[in-house]
Amino acid sequence: EDQVTQSPEALRLQEGESSSLNCSYTVSGLRGLFWYRQDPGKGPEFLFTLYSAGEEKEKERLKATLTKKESFLHITAPKPEDSATYLCAVHGSSNTGKLIFGQGTTLQVKP
Amino acid sequence: GAGVSQSPRYKVAKRGQDVALRCDPISGHVSLFWYQQALGQGPEFLTYFQNEAQLDKSGLPSDRFFAERPEGSVSTLKIQRTQQEDSAVYLCASSRGLDTQYFGPGTRLTVL
Repeated sequence: EDQVTQSPEALRLQEGESSSLNCSYTVSGLRGLFWYRQDPGKGPEFLFTLYSAGEEKEKERLKATLTKKESFLHITAPKPEDSATYLCAVHGSSNTGKLIFGQGTTLQVKP
Repeated sequence: GAGVSQSPRYKVAKRGQDVALRCDPISGHVSLFWYQQALGQGPEFLTYFQNEAQLDKSGLPSDRFFAERPEGSVSTLKIQRTQQEDSAVYLCASSRGLDTQYFGPGTRLTVL
C-alpha cells in the first residue's frame, strides 16, 4: 500500500533561518512526487513535480530534491510570507492518477 | 475561468439533509478528482473521472456519497443523509491527463 509520511509536523523558524522539510514515501512504483503549499482556508497550490531519483527543482527560496525513499523541500532564508502548510503527495501504483498525501508540515516564519 | 472553481464555499447542513457540491474544472482538463480533507490532515482521495466516465470510486466512504460528471466538464458531489462525520473540506482538482493536479478552493461542509 502506498504511504507518505511528513516530518516535522510543525516547524517554527526565524526570518532568514534556512531549514528542510522531509517527505518519506513507500510506493510500489513512483510515477511522480508532488509538493503543494496550502494557506488557511484555501486549496493546495502546486509547487513542484519530481519524477526520478536525483531530480531537483527550484522556485525562488524553495528547492525540492528526490531520492528513492524520500524528498526534501529546502527553504533558504525564509520570509514570513512563506508561512503555510506544505503537503507532499505521490502518484504511485494507481492507474487512475489518485494522489496519496502526507499529513503536511505547518511552517511558521517569524519576522 | 483561469482556475478550478467550487461552490458553495461554505455549506452548513443539518444531520440527515442531502447536499450537493459543485466543481468547475479548468477548461479542457480531461481528468477530475474529488478529495476530502479533515482538519489538520492531508487530502484523501474520493473519486476520479476521465471525461464523463467515473473510473475510480474506491475512496467514497459509503453509498451515501455519489459523484457525477455527465457532460465531461462540471462535476457534482452529492452526499445523502449527511452525518456529523461528513464534516470536512471537499476539494476538487483537475488535470490534463494523469499529470499535475490543480486544486480548487474547496467547500467547507459542516454538519450539525
